[in-house]
Amino acid sequence: EAQVTQNPRYLITVTGKKLTVTCSQNMNHEYMSWYRQDPGLGLRQIYYSMNVEVTDKGDVPEGYKVSRKEKRNFPLILESPSPNQTSLYFCASSSGAGRAETQYFGPGTRLLVL
Amino acid sequence: KNEVEQSPQNLTAQEGEFITINCSYSVGISALHWLQQHPGGGIVSLFMLSSGKKKHGRLIATINIQEKHSSLHITASHPRDSAVYICAPRGGSQGNLIFGKGTKLSVKP
Repeated sequence: EAQVTQNPRYLITVTGKKLTVTCSQNMNHEYMSWYRQDPGLGLRQIYYSMNVEVTDKGDVPEGYKVSRKEKRNFPLILESPSPNQTSLYFCASSSGAGRAETQYFGPGTRLLVL
Repeated sequence: KNEVEQSPQNLTAQEGEFITINCSYSVGISALHWLQQHPGGGIVSLFMLSSGKKKHGRLIATINIQEKHSSLHITASHPRDSAVYICAPRGGSQGNLIFGKGTKLSVKP
């Protein structure tokens, strides 16, 4: 089954404790992206990747890091989480980097930073 | 400055009604997505279109590139259509998605 998986689905952590949210897709997609969703603000792009070893900032990259060492994986790293990073996070992928293709979304990760 | 405007923000309908959700955008785009976000949070892509009209079952999406406007229609609405519908044009040099804030639809039986 074609899918995007994220782990963990729910996470409660404390300020400053490094964490990683994993994202994996099994569709051999080139393009992957991370978004955060906040009430009243909608979805905003954090980082995206056009292919292996090619990543770029989205609209709200501050406080986040990503890597794309393999085509299928695109982890999101919070080196020193802060309460303003409490949010719902989505990973997504699509084929054809930059082209107009359907995006597949992961199930979301709810993060609470205390 | 909002590059993507959706209307209405909230919509309550009776089962069977015809629903229209509108999306206007101010940037040049290569395509536009309509997404559905279920009450549990999951997001599904309903349509991707770059011109004209597409239909999937009771859902119809139209786009007018010149007028920078798209609409999502639901015919014979059903309570299971209750969700947030998000318009997301694909623009910019890298073709990233720009998201509207969503329209929350509630269909009452």
